Amino acid sequence: QQQVKQSPQSLIVQKGGIPIINCAYENTAFDYFPWYQQFPGKGPALLIAIRPDVSEKKEGRFTISFNKSAKQFSLHIMDSQPGDSATYFCAAKSGNNNDMRFGAGTRLTVKP
Amino acid sequence: KAGVTQTPRYLIKTRGQQVTLSCSPISGHRSVSWYQQTPGQGLQFLFEYFSETQRNKGNFPGRFSGRQFSNSRSEMNVSTLELGDSALYLCASGRQDTGELFFGEGSRLTVL
Repeated sequence: QQQVKQSPQSLIVQKGGIPIINCAYENTAFDYFPWYQQFPGKGPALLIAIRPDVSEKKEGRFTISFNKSAKQFSLHIMDSQPGDSATYFCAAKSGNNNDMRFGAGTRLTVKP
Repeated sequence: KAGVTQTPRYLIKTRGQQVTLSCSPISGHRSVSWYQQTPGQGLQFLFEYFSETQRNKGNFPGRFSGRQFSNSRSEMNVSTLELGDSALYLCASGRQDTGELFFGEGSRLTVL
């Protein structure tokens, strides 16, 4: 059951560009929306997360934009670098349990 | 502060065998959840343990089981292995106050 839909599947940008990854969810009970970054052979690493009471959150070069009415949220990476090349996953969960629903992932390539 | 530790990192089994994977969460975290990651199905929730009790369970057959010990360490077991069980099994340690979930590097299981 795909509760979080993520697009695009892959993305190629030039160094310094601003890749944008989008996610849409169905379950209105979701109240926590994290983004994870995963390098080959590694586990997902928490990048940034947002709750539905705010529309935007910035941490360093990473920004989440959240649209509660549209049930959508997105990740923007400012001044992207080749070291940002990785797979990015959006996710969502509700309440205190850790049954996290993940998007299918976006493979980002940042060209030098 | 040490991160989430999973052992073994790699293992190869044959069909019909069973396997036990271990996870040590971040110190102070009482929630441990397990996920299966495959290229075809992505990241899927297996189950979550909190204070030695299973709090949530995903849509996996009964061959997949787990437990949590009083020190919060957790194990998961897969019996009667099938070829389709080949995957990266990820353990995540959860912070109850923020909802953040931190993943280990995973145990890569290959079933021949």
